[in-house]
Amino acid sequence: DTGVSQNPRHKITKRGQNVTFRCDPISEHNRLYWYRQTLGQGPEFLTYFQNEAQLEKSRLLSDRFSAERPKGSFSTLEIQRTEQGDSAMYLCASRGGGTQETQYFGPGTRLLVL
Amino acid sequence: AQSVTQLGSHVSVSEGALVLLRCNYSSSVPPYLFWYVQYPNQGLQLLLKYTTGATLVKGINGFEAEFKKSETSFHLTKPSAHMSDAAEYFCAVKSGGGADGLTFGKGTHLIIQP
Repeated sequence: DTGVSQNPRHKITKRGQNVTFRCDPISEHNRLYWYRQTLGQGPEFLTYFQNEAQLEKSRLLSDRFSAERPKGSFSTLEIQRTEQGDSAMYLCASRGGGTQETQYFGPGTRLLVL
Repeated sequence: AQSVTQLGSHVSVSEGALVLLRCNYSSSVPPYLFWYVQYPNQGLQLLLKYTTGATLVKGINGFEAEFKKSETSFHLTKPSAHMSDAAEYFCAVKSGGGADGLTFGKGTHLIIQP
C-alpha cells in the first residue's frame, strides 16, 4: 500500500491556460474522488468515480472542468481556460467498496493561476 | 443537504491540557461522521470515524469523539495536548441520498501553547 499519489505537487500557470492533474489511487480501491480546497476552507467535493464510471458531479464542477478515469485506475482532472479563482489545492482520495467508508487522501496539487 | 459546523476557527490550549474541538452536523439520514487532520502542505489523514455501533469512537494519537444524535454533535477530544497536535482539524459528514462525497466543515486550527 503506497498510498494515494498526485502529480504534480505544484503548478503555476497563467490565466487562460489549460492544466491537467493526475491522481493514482491505492491499487485495490475502485472509488476515486476529487476535492478542491481554498485557503482557510475545508475541502469541497467535486466529483466521484466508481471504477471508470463518473457517478456524481458537484455543481462546483463548471464546464471548464473535466475528469476522467479511463481504465478504472488513475484519474485526470483538467481545467480549461484557467481563471484566478481556480487557484486552490486539488485533493484526490480513494476508498475500497462495500462498507469500507474511509476515504484516503493524497498530498494534493497546489495550483496558482497568475 | 448535508452541512457541518465547526465552532471556533482557532482553538488554543496549553500543552498537557484537554483538547475539545466542536462539530455539529445536519443530515436527513443517519450520518457517517469523520475527523481528519491536516498538517501544513499535506493531504488529510483520518483520525477517527463513526459509521454504526458504539457511539464513543477512539482514533489515532489519543483522540476520541462521541456521536450524540440528540445534539447532532460529534466533538473531538484528547485528554492531554502535545505540541505535535498543532494542525488543522476537519469534521466531515458523508452525504446522504445515495451521494458519496464528503461534506467538510471549515476547519479548526489547533494551537498548542508551551
